[in-house]
Amino acid sequence: DAGVTQSPTHLIKTRGQQVTLRCSPKSGHDTVSWYQQALGQGPQFIFQYYEEEERQRGNFPDRFSGHQFPNYSSELNVNALLLGDSALYLCASSRSALAGAFFGQGTRLTVV
Amino acid sequence: GNSVTQMEGPVTLSEEAFLTINCTYTATGYPSLFWYVQYPGEGLQLLLKATKADDKGSNKGFEATYRKETTSFHLEKGSVQVSDSAVYFCALLGKGGGADGLTFGKGTHLIIQP
Repeated sequence: DAGVTQSPTHLIKTRGQQVTLRCSPKSGHDTVSWYQQALGQGPQFIFQYYEEEERQRGNFPDRFSGHQFPNYSSELNVNALLLGDSALYLCASSRSALAGAFFGQGTRLTVV
Repeated sequence: GNSVTQMEGPVTLSEEAFLTINCTYTATGYPSLFWYVQYPGEGLQLLLKATKADDKGSNKGFEATYRKETTSFHLEKGSVQVSDSAVYFCALLGKGGGADGLTFGKGTHLIIQP
């Protein structure tokens, strides 16, 4: 079992650009959540996808959007990148919303 | 809203010392509680969890008991090893269907010296 896999592992983008991050959930998991972890901070919940729909989102602007595919994989899109978007983006999957989540290694996004 | 407060780090201990990392929470109702560990350059790994009051989660020698009366979920280990050096996050999952995601504390950096 490959666990939760994310790609790419590192990314450098210029302010104003757009970025897409990808996540494949652990086998058997149908719920995918995305988190932003700034340096030295705990992860912050961005949103959660289940059955290809966004079920809930945290306190993030509409520049952050996502998608879940029929095979449960997911994408996180961020438009009009700001320097403050630089962070580790973590994907987590679970068998249900209430189960403990399994996290991927994350994508380190640097906006310059 | 939900919130988690955990002790500030870094916490530096000698090998074989006793470990306690304090965690308290604020939430509506009775959330599920978790401890995650993050090793350098890696994502988060679920260490242990408890889903109701008085439950004790345990794994790899670590333990934490869900205390409803004190809204706490302190992490303990009787004898730490150098390999336990990492950042530890306390987190809760609200009972609002769980779709509101995990709420994390800021993390406690643990350093174990040989």
